[in-house]
Order: sequence, then C-alpha cells, then structure tokens
Amino acid sequence: NAGVTQTPKFQVLKTGQSMTLQCAQDMNHEYMSWYRQDPGMGLRLIHYSVGAGITDQGEVPNGYNVSRSTTEDFPLRLLSAAPSQTSVYFCATCRGTVNTGELFFGEGSRLTVL
Amino acid sequence: QQQVKQSPQSLIVQKGGISIINCAYENTAFDYFPWYQQFPGKGPALLIAIRPDVSEKKEGRFTISFNKSAKQFSLHIMDSQPGDSATYFCAASNLRSSGSARQLTFGSGTQLTVLP
Repeated sequence: NAGVTQTPKFQVLKTGQSMTLQCAQDMNHEYMSWYRQDPGMGLRLIHYSVGAGITDQGEVPNGYNVSRSTTEDFPLRLLSAAPSQTSVYFCATCRGTVNTGELFFGEGSRLTVL
Repeated sequence: QQQVKQSPQSLIVQKGGISIINCAYENTAFDYFPWYQQFPGKGPALLIAIRPDVSEKKEGRFTISFNKSAKQFSLHIMDSQPGDSATYFCAASNLRSSGSARQLTFGSGTQLTVLP
C-alpha cells in the first residue's frame, strides 16, 4: 500500500500561474484534507472533504479550490498563484467520514511562487 | 488567532536527557489533544494522544501530561535519543462537534535536536 501519495514534490511557479497539487490515497478513507505548513505557523487547514462530492472550507481557504469526484483523489487547485502561497502543502486522510484526530499525511509538496 | 500556543520553538537536549514541550489552549470545548512527530522531508505522523478525562498518558518513552484547569498539556520524552530529533506539533480538536469545529488546530511546532 502506498498510503497517501502527493505529486509533484517540488514546484516553482510565477505569480499568476495556475497549477494543481495532486493527492491520491489507497486506504479507502472517506475523509481527506489539505494543510499548508509555514515556519512558525504550524499546520493550517485549507479545505477538507468527508466523501466524494462533499467539500468544505478550513481556516485558510482563500486562493484555493478543491473538488472530490472519487474517494481516492482530492486535488488542490491554485487558480492564480501569489507569493503568499509559497509553502509546503500536505494532504492528510482519516478513517471514516469525520476527522477522528488520527490523520495520515502524505510527504508533502513544496511550492515556491516567484 | 492562535488557539494552541506551543513552546519552545526549538529545543536542544543531550542524549539521555528529558525533552519537554509545552502547549496551551484557549478553547475549553477542545476534548482531544494529539501530538504529531515530523521528520525532515516527511509528513507528520501521530505519536500519542490524550483525552481530558485523564491527567497523564504514557507510551514507551513518550508521556503526555494534561492540566485541564490550566488549559495546558505537555509532551515529555524520557531518555531522549538522537533518533528523536524531529519537529513536534501539538494539536487540539473538539470531537463532539461537527464540521469546521471538529478539525484539528495545530501548534506552531518545536524543532527538537538530541545531541549524541
């Protein structure tokens, strides 16, 4: 089992460009989420999903879009990248349809916006 | 508004020593307090967690101490080893709620270095 797989691992964008961070999981977890990690800020929740077709906003959703068409995939879209979105992004899953506190994280995607 | 405050930001301990990381929270509705461990280049992984109905939980060399009245909890790593060098995050959640209120709120992280 691969667990939670994130691609790409590294990406450099110019301001205004768009891109999609991919997250795929093979654990059949209903709950999936995206966090960003910044120095001194810890992990902050961007968006989460409790199942296919259901998404909701987290603490810092502005500038990001998500959709959930399958149980396995939860892509994060940046429509017009800004330097403030330079960060390390983590996808995390959880057993069941709610967050039980035990999150399984991917290895992260490091994004730099110039 | 940072609902979970973590300290220190960094910590250096000699091998065999005790590492202590502290967290304080504001929201009295929080009822689940996990600690996550993150090695460089990896995602965080759940290390140990506690509910407020107990004051201490121990798993091997790792212990969580919980003080409900002070709204504080801490991670103690006994006999610290170089392999424990990592970033540690405390977190809190209200598992009795639904939606956004149920989501984990993380502290800012502590970078622990254990010297050989």
